[in-house]
Parts: sequence; structure tokens; C-alpha cells
Amino acid sequence: EVQLVQSGAEVKKPGDSLKISCRVSGYSFSNYWIGWVRQMPGQGLEYIGIIYPGDSDTRYRPTFQGQVTISADKSVSTAYLQWSGLRASDTGIYYCARLGIKPSGSYAYSFDIWGQGTMVTVSS
Amino acid sequence: IVLTQSPGTLSLSPGQRATLSCRASQSVSSSHLAWYQQKPGQAPRLLIYYASTRAAGIPDRFSGSGSGTDFTLTISRLEPEDFAVYFCQHCGSSLRCTFGQGTKLEIK
Repeated sequence: EVQLVQSGAEVKKPGDSLKISCRVSGYSFSNYWIGWVRQMPGQGLEYIGIIYPGDSDTRYRPTFQGQVTISADKSVSTAYLQWSGLRASDTGIYYCARLGIKPSGSYAYSFDIWGQGTMVTVSS
Repeated sequence: IVLTQSPGTLSLSPGQRATLSCRASQSVSSSHLAWYQQKPGQAPRLLIYYASTRAAGIPDRFSGSGSGTDFTLTISRLEPEDFAVYFCQHCGSSLRCTFGQGTKLEIK
């Protein structure tokens, strides 16, 4: 079974560092892009960025460039999202998701498998 | 690219037909347009990709259509479990993606 399992909820103070994880199983980690999506309380979905674990090619939405870092470790089939200085405005649920591939091998340009989400609360 | 969904909230009864709209700020390839369903406390679930292809396990009462700047998600006969929030999404060839703001489908 294809699964993306995310790390547990976090409560942090402004200025803290944080690294959350997304461990995948059931498919070849290196061969699929993994994206990150934020959902602030009661709000919609915001795309943060994406990584290709095979060569660590990483792309960020301009709004998030410099604010977060996306990485991946092939040895443990895990993708990460990290902050070096959290702000209250970073509070929200963070989802990882796999970019699907059609049977033909071309990108489906959609996220077919999602993690369960990690709730991040930043408060003094 | 900005995606604008309408209406913001749609109030219907089970058995009725739902039509949700997603308009792009510029023409996009239909290959890059997807729809998701999200229920409270759950992660989003992929419904439609390539604008009109149902994802695995999605009932055939869900259908997608459209091209250029205007796309539609139709639910032919609403079941109680269909009341949720729906998002459209576009990913460009460079994998810069964006979501619409969502349409809440609520029971009338």
C-alpha cells in the first residue's frame, strides 16, 4: 500500500527552529516528486514547493522562497520541511503529497497520495 | 496564474446536481488542471486530473470538463458523503502549482 506518514503535531515559540517529516512507503521514493501544502486555520490550500528525491531538484513558490527549506533523504525514504525561525503566521496544518504519474509515464500534474497532515502551532 | 472558484458556498439537497466552477486568470492546459475534495479533519483527496479523468476509486457521479480558462466539476446526484469543500488546482510545466480558494458544498 502506498502511504505517506507525517510526523506528529508540534507546538513551538516564535523564533524556534523546526523540521517536520514525511515518510513514504509502498513505492520508489526516488522516482516521484513530493510536494508540501499549507492550510492555515479555517482557510484554503497553499502550495509551498516540491522536491524530486532522485536528484534533490527543489522548487519553491516565490512566497515561501527563503522562508522554508525542503529536503529529502533517500536512505530513509523521507521528505522534510524545515524552518529556521518560526513566526506565529506559520501556524497551520502542513501536508506532504505525491505528484502522480500516469501509466504512460507522463506527469499527472496532480497530487494523488497525501499524508495525514502535521499541525504546527507557533505561539508565545 | 490565479484560480477563482465559484460559488463560495453552494447549498443543495441530496439527489440534486452540483456544478462547481473554476476560472483561471489566463488560459491553461487542461492536462494541468485537477480537482480535490476535502472533508473536515481530513487531508484532501484527488477526484479529477487532466481536467476530466477520474482518479482511482472515484465514483462516476463525479465528472470534470472545460478548457482554456473555464473548468467545471459536476456531481450528477449528490450523496450525503459528497458534502465537503472542493478545490481546483493548476500545476504548470515547471511544477509551480496553485489552488483555488475552494467551494463549500453544504446540505440545504
